[in-house]
Amino acid sequence: EPEVTQTPSHQVTQMGQEVILRCVPISNHLYFYWYRQILGQKVEFLVSFYNNEISEKSEIFDDQFSVERPDGSNFTLKIRSTKLEDSAMYFCASSEGRNSPLHFGNGTRLTVT
Amino acid sequence: GNSVTQMEGPVTLSEEAFLTINCTYTATGYPSLFWYVQYPGEGLQLLLKATKADDKGSNKGFEATYRKETTSFHLEKGSVQVSDSAVYFCALLPTGGGNKLTFGTGTQLKVEL
Repeated sequence: EPEVTQTPSHQVTQMGQEVILRCVPISNHLYFYWYRQILGQKVEFLVSFYNNEISEKSEIFDDQFSVERPDGSNFTLKIRSTKLEDSAMYFCASSEGRNSPLHFGNGTRLTVT
Repeated sequence: GNSVTQMEGPVTLSEEAFLTINCTYTATGYPSLFWYVQYPGEGLQLLLKATKADDKGSNKGFEATYRKETTSFHLEKGSVQVSDSAVYFCALLPTGGGNKLTFGTGTQLKVEL
């Protein structure tokens, strides 16, 4: 069964550094998402992306965050200048349609030191 | 705003025991409700869903009934197995809300022989 893949599985970075989290959504899916879960807290929506533009974003998704689909297969989340509070598990997801079930990746655990 | 509250874990059960994981929600209108499961080292997988009041979602022996009068969507299984050990997330999707899911904090289930 096709699946969403995320790399790396764990990333450690220093505060103030830029990080790029990578995702390969399922190939025929049109909608892409990033969610995150800070340890012990809820899974939170960050952003949705369709037709090469952001369709919705949460208040968490400030100017430090950006998303891009640089080619036909990858979907990336960039954090420009990481803060300690950005440490979390970041999940990428994709869906065939706007109301179709989401397929999630295994997540990238980001640790900011 | 929308919110989901789940019982805290970890929940530890013996194999073949009955499982209930409570989930209540706050939302306007008629949200869709979901249970996702995360097995160790894997991503979030959709376990079951219900899209309107009194609907029962079921999959792999798990069931949950959408109760609008109590704003609940409790997850149940009659006889758990060691392989059911995972983290279970309750989530809601607001009416007309695309795929911006609101998640609970997750409940870890451990099933022992």
